[in-house]
Amino acid sequence: GDSVTQMEGPVTLSEEAFLTINCTYTATGYPSLFWYVQYPGEGLQLLLKATKADDKGSNKGFEATYRKETTSFHLEKGSVQVSDSAVYFCALRDAGNMLTFGGGTRLMVKP
Amino acid sequence: DTAVSQTPKYLVTQMGNDKSIKCEQNLGHDTMYWYKQDSKKFLKIMFSYNNKELIINETVPNRFSPKSPDKAHLNLHINSLELGDSAVYFCASSQGKDTQYFGPGTRLTVL
Repeated sequence: GDSVTQMEGPVTLSEEAFLTINCTYTATGYPSLFWYVQYPGEGLQLLLKATKADDKGSNKGFEATYRKETTSFHLEKGSVQVSDSAVYFCALRDAGNMLTFGGGTRLMVKP
Repeated sequence: DTAVSQTPKYLVTQMGNDKSIKCEQNLGHDTMYWYKQDSKKFLKIMFSYNNKELIINETVPNRFSPKSPDKAHLNLHINSLELGDSAVYFCASSQGKDTQYFGPGTRLTVL
């Protein structure tokens, strides 16, 4: 079956540092890929998405590129802020419209 | 206005009890979902439901039953609660295969 693997956290960075959270997937066919963010005590919010190979999703300074050859969708941000502290989930959506999530990566940004 | 809402936000109950969690969406979406997030933040789809079809994840015990009185509501009823049911339950909705929007979650604690 489909699966998503993310780097385990927590990831602790200082403000303005560069962020990378790795995500790789296993799927049949051509899934759509997503990053969701969960702020403390809240539900999940869609951060960005990509629906086909080589697409780049971007939002709020975050970017991720759909790499079919490496089955990856790594999340990056050039300069993190304290307000970016949250749990980040990589996910894929199969043809049946089901979302499969990775285990989540907690990001902590210190001032 | 809240797009996807859930009640209650917190639910504490004893083993063996029967409880329900309610979900409502005001986005006019035709598809709704229930997800379970365990203590390690791992998220897993439980059900997907639209006007025409209920898709059940085969790993979900039959003590869990979704009920949809209309397109805007998808409630989750749980019979004979067990300790392992303690988790945060998220409702989500989408228009077909478009982006899924999540509710704030219901934290269920079974004592």
